[in-house]
Amino acid sequence: GQQVMQIPQYQHVQEGEDFTTYCNSSTTLSNIQWYKQRPGGHPVFLIQLVKSGEVKKQKRLTFQFGEAKKNSSLHITATQTTDVGTYFCAGPSYSGYALNFGKGTSLLVTP
Amino acid sequence: DTEVTQTPKHLVMGMTNKKSLKCEQHMGHRAMYWYKQKAKKPPELMFVYSYEKLSINESVPSRFSPECPNSSLLNLHLHALQPEDSALYLCASSQEGRGALETQYFGPGTRLLVL
Repeated sequence: GQQVMQIPQYQHVQEGEDFTTYCNSSTTLSNIQWYKQRPGGHPVFLIQLVKSGEVKKQKRLTFQFGEAKKNSSLHITATQTTDVGTYFCAGPSYSGYALNFGKGTSLLVTP
Repeated sequence: DTEVTQTPKHLVMGMTNKKSLKCEQHMGHRAMYWYKQKAKKPPELMFVYSYEKLSINESVPSRFSPECPNSSLLNLHLHALQPEDSALYLCASSQEGRGALETQYFGPGTRLLVL
């Protein structure tokens, strides 16, 4: 499938600091999705990006899709302890049926 | 109702046992998926059912046997599993079976331990 590489693997921040996770693909993606998985939980859909250069915001979360549609980022402003979890990006496989997940970025926020 | 339910939540089984995992959704979705997730790893796709037909089998060993009795239900039959099959098994659904182009709604998963 079309691999998406995600960095960093782990991030530990103090509450109130910002956080960013990045996804990169060697091939152009038709779309990219972002999911959040809380510890002991299941992946929950956050957003889908489809257009080149697209930027979407959800409160303190900002999602970007690169102009070449090969990279994406999730930025959280002023993290809170409720932001703790693993954030996955996911791109389509060649078949289009499967979601190929990045390895995820585990975010730890300490008060 | 935007919920996908899975039973059981936890399952411990021996290598000679036969068990089944169940998944249900009442969102009218036409595609359902089984994923396997090992600790600290991303979910990996196992099977996709679209309109009750198996459309993708990601080279999964035959000891895992999926079944889709109707558009709301998805089962995963387990037989002669190995300890390395211990993982979180996630069911997901999406509206029209366009896979990666649609939001996938995940269930809470079944945590499986094979002894």
